[in-house]
Amino acid sequence: EPEVTQTPSHQVTQMGQEVILRCVPISNHLYFYWYRQILGQKVEFLVSFYNNEISEKSEIFDDQFSVERPDGSNFTLKIRSTKLEDSAMYFCASSPIPGPGNTIYFGEGSWLTVV
Amino acid sequence: KQEVTQIPAALSVPEGENLVLNCSFTDSAIYNLQWFRQDPGKGLTSLLLIQSSQREQTSGRLNASLDKSSGRSTLYIAASQPGDSATYLCAVSGGGADGLTFGKGTHLIIQP
Repeated sequence: EPEVTQTPSHQVTQMGQEVILRCVPISNHLYFYWYRQILGQKVEFLVSFYNNEISEKSEIFDDQFSVERPDGSNFTLKIRSTKLEDSAMYFCASSPIPGPGNTIYFGEGSWLTVV
Repeated sequence: KQEVTQIPAALSVPEGENLVLNCSFTDSAIYNLQWFRQDPGKGLTSLLLIQSSQREQTSGRLNASLDKSSGRSTLYIAASQPGDSATYLCAVSGGGADGLTFGKGTHLIIQP
């Protein structure tokens, strides 16, 4: 069964460093998403991406964050100048189109620890 | 702003019992509602999706219902098994490319 794959599974970074999280969405999907889950808290929407541009973003997704689809398969989340509070599990997701009957498929997550 | 609440936060039952997990949402103008399963340190696995025009969906031992007007959904698990132990998340979509709004989940433990 097709799946969303994410790398790395775990990354430890120094505060102030830049981090890039990578995702390979399901191949025939058109919408891509990033979510995050701080330990013990709800899963939160960050951003959706379609046709090489951001479709929607939450108030969490500020200038520190950016997304890119550098080639036909990868979808990346860049976090500039990381802060301690950026420590979280980051999930990539994809869907065919955001129709009412279309499930959003999630990857296994990238656990980011900022020290 | 949409808020999703799940009750109970945690539940521990003996194997074989039927159980119900509850989800409520504050804005009834939803596109669809999904139930997910999350194992510790893992990603989210979609269990069921109910479109806003539907009342329920079934998959195996799972049945999810939706009452959009009252802002409620339930996930019914029949004949629970230890392998069902996980956190169950409810999430609603406002439509289009809007992100899902998640509840905090119900942490379920099925005792062998």
